[in-house]
Amino acid sequence: DTGVSQNPRHKITKRGQNVTFRCDPISEHNRLYWYRQTLGQGPEFLTYFQNEAQLEKSRLLSDRFSAERPKGSFSTLEIQRTEQGDSAMYLCASSLVSANTGELFFGEGSRLTVL
Amino acid sequence: QQPVQSPQAVILREGEDAVINCSSSKALYSVHWYRQKHGEAPVFLMILLKGGEQKGHDKISASFNEKKQQSSLYLTASQLSYSGTYFCGTEATSGTYKYIFGTGTRLKVLA
Repeated sequence: DTGVSQNPRHKITKRGQNVTFRCDPISEHNRLYWYRQTLGQGPEFLTYFQNEAQLEKSRLLSDRFSAERPKGSFSTLEIQRTEQGDSAMYLCASSLVSANTGELFFGEGSRLTVL
Repeated sequence: QQPVQSPQAVILREGEDAVINCSSSKALYSVHWYRQKHGEAPVFLMILLKGGEQKGHDKISASFNEKKQQSSLYLTASQLSYSGTYFCGTEATSGTYKYIFGTGTRLKVLA
């Protein structure tokens, strides 16, 4: 399978714990995005990378959220001291900037439940 | 700023048509359309770049108005497979490739 891969698919944690999600994009894609989606809502922009450089982080994100993309390949999204309001689906997407459409290819997401 | 989609939800019978709108308070550089089925990842449908542009494939088409503040998605002779939630993804500034998604429109097609 050569699509976007996310792990773990589901994570249940207690409030106050740290969690980390991993995203493996399509191999030749240079852009990588993280979005958060709650039930019935559109994906909410969190951050994005071009290669290893983080271009922007949403001002809505607290300092508890951090993302990295070492070597411009896979990316990790870490949430420290989780809160119940962090419960959501975390979507990763990748794209190739040079492509005509800039189409985003999404992974199936990592669902976080904070108890 | 998040674009607003309308309607929020629509129920159709097979063969009926639907229009989904995506509106922004500011002019956009581009707009994407995606469909997300329950429990699945969003899937790209098409992109519009130019004011006044209309494009489509099969029975799904879209338009981008001249001011580039509104896009509409047209679903013609709907099929059961069209059911899902539709999102517009908007790029406000050329070259940023930063996409802000709309509020979503839930579409259900009944037999």
